[in-house]
Amino acid sequence: AQTIHQWPVAEIKAVGSPLSLGCTIKGKSSPNLYWYWQATGGTLQQLFYSITVGQVESVVQLNLSASRPKDDQFILSTEKLLLSHSGFYLCAWSRDRTNSDYTFGSGTRLLVI
Amino acid sequence: QEKVQQSPESLIVPEGAMVSLNCSFSDSASQSIWWYQQHPGKGPKALISIFSNGNKKEGRLTVYLNRASLHVSLHIKDSQPSDSAVYLCAVSTEGADRLTFGKGTQLIIQP
Repeated sequence: AQTIHQWPVAEIKAVGSPLSLGCTIKGKSSPNLYWYWQATGGTLQQLFYSITVGQVESVVQLNLSASRPKDDQFILSTEKLLLSHSGFYLCAWSRDRTNSDYTFGSGTRLLVI
Repeated sequence: QEKVQQSPESLIVPEGAMVSLNCSFSDSASQSIWWYQQHPGKGPKALISIFSNGNKKEGRLTVYLNRASLHVSLHIKDSQPSDSAVYLCAVSTEGADRLTFGKGTQLIIQP
């Protein structure tokens, strides 16, 4: 069975500090990977997607970057956090590009102060 | 860019009632439409999807899709308190590697 793990579970960070969030998928080779962000009370917004190692496409510009260093790993990062980065970050994977469901991780709650 | 609108924003019904949730989307080229359930502090979980016009039933869930009117609805039969959650409508677009979500409907089932 496939499992998806996100870390850390929660973070409190200062404005201007760096951030790195991680996501690992086990049990599925070459998954399509996605990062989503959800502001409190807001809509789930897709940030990035990746269909293969080393290839990441940006969907929305939020002064964040993403990388896929391994087939099963997806990293979200920034060098300088903004207050507006606060929210709930979710990683997801899917089998194909269009008609399969996305399976989400448990998310990382980020508070920037 | 795909736009997904959901209604109502919130809904409170007694246990055992039939629940109806609505979703409209903007792109007629949209592929599959998905309904997800999200509990507080958790990631969304896929419930049911539909691709073709018509309806699809899985257990207590029935989804109806009308591509001409760009509308999809989810119906939950014999609602339970455990069904209380936010229900998200999501639309996939071919070739876009994108699943676009609506803002969701907060559903509360009162025992």
